[in-house]
Amino acid sequence: SQTIHQWPATLVQPVGSPLSLECTVEGTSNPNLYWYRQAAGRGLQLLFYSVGIGQISSEVPQNLSASRPQDRQFILSSKKLLLSDSGFYLCAWAFTHGILSFGPGTRLTVT
Amino acid sequence: DAKTTQPPSMDCAEGRAANLPCNHSTISGNEYVYWYRQIHSQGPQYIIHGLKNNETNEMASLIITEDRKSSTLILPHATLRDTAVYYCIVRLGPISWGKLQFGAGTQVVVTP
Repeated sequence: SQTIHQWPATLVQPVGSPLSLECTVEGTSNPNLYWYRQAAGRGLQLLFYSVGIGQISSEVPQNLSASRPQDRQFILSSKKLLLSDSGFYLCAWAFTHGILSFGPGTRLTVT
Repeated sequence: DAKTTQPPSMDCAEGRAANLPCNHSTISGNEYVYWYRQIHSQGPQYIIHGLKNNETNEMASLIITEDRKSSTLILPHATLRDTAVYYCIVRLGPISWGKLQFGAGTQVVVTP
């Protein structure tokens, strides 16, 4: 069966510090991978998606970036965090027909 | 992708059926209706999807009107664990699948 992992589960970072969130998928190959963010009390916002190694599409311009160094690994990064980057970050993969499976998420608080 | 309209909140008694409406009057012929839900502090969970015909699985039933301009998600016997935000999403099918745009959804509260 397929499993999606995210870490860390929670993170508290000061403004201006770097960020690296990791997502890995097990049990499948060449998945489409996605990063979503949910700010407090808000809906889910699609940030990035990737259809293959090294292929990244950005949905929203911001100070975040994404990379896909391996087939089943998706990384979300920032060089300098802003207060507005706080939120619940979710990684997901699509296995068929528009059906997404989401990871457990990382709750980021920027102080 | 077509825009959807859902009520912001609904209450439902435990053990009763919960009927969640969704309007998607601008849906095109090759767009599917998807339903997801998000329990507090968790990632969204896929429930069901359909194109034209009504669909049923172990979680819920999806009723799509004949003109496809609206649909209803039915939770046949709501439990307290069904308390969540429910999202109705309309989008193209296999093409660019996975790029889901989530709206505000309906906050469903199941009460004892």
